Amino acid sequence: NAGVMQNPRHLVRRRGQEARLRCSPMKGHSHVYWYRQLPEEGLKFMVYLQKENIIDESGMPKERFSAEFPKEGPSILRIQQVVRGDSAAYFCASSPVSTGGAGTEAFFGQGTRLTVV
Amino acid sequence: AQSVTQLDSQVPVFEEAPVELRCNYSSSVSVYLFWYVQYPNQGLQLLLKYLSGSTLVKGINGFEAEFNKSQTSFHLRKPSVHISDTAEYFCAVSDLSNYQLIWGAGTKLIIKP
Repeated sequence: NAGVMQNPRHLVRRRGQEARLRCSPMKGHSHVYWYRQLPEEGLKFMVYLQKENIIDESGMPKERFSAEFPKEGPSILRIQQVVRGDSAAYFCASSPVSTGGAGTEAFFGQGTRLTVV
Repeated sequence: AQSVTQLDSQVPVFEEAPVELRCNYSSSVSVYLFWYVQYPNQGLQLLLKYLSGSTLVKGINGFEAEFNKSQTSFHLRKPSVHISDTAEYFCAVSDLSNYQLIWGAGTKLIIKP
């Protein structure tokens, strides 16, 4: 059973371009979470999705960022018109059920390191 | 609001020496506590977690952590470290009804030969 797969591992974009980050959850997992890690900081929650639904996007910047988790295929985190401040590591995690309530473990991918030049 | 403080950004220690990585949290409600490890160029891996019950939790690779409710701490310990323990360690907390993990800034464990 492959783990959570994120690609690309490294992504370089020029200011103003779009960045698309992909996350394939573990087999059998229908809950996906995206976190962002800025340099020298801990991870910060961005968004929680289930198949075809955004459950909580309270951590997403209001503009330029969007996320989806379609019925088929990976979850996508999309950043439009990237700026230097978007440079960070973006981690995806998945779980078979919601991680709330029972302390269910979330399994993390290796992250995508976005560099905006 | 919950928060997590990892007091040391780096901890250098000699190989085979004991180590303690400190984690304190603030929360007005009961919480779950986690330690994750990130090896160089790898993803995050769960080391151990405290949900309830015994306050001493044992994890993988010889690590253990003790939950201290009165001090709101969840320090990670290992009696004898190995060069392969070189990594960054993250403490995280969630309350019993919330899926969000709140993370500390991480502690880099540096093993000196």
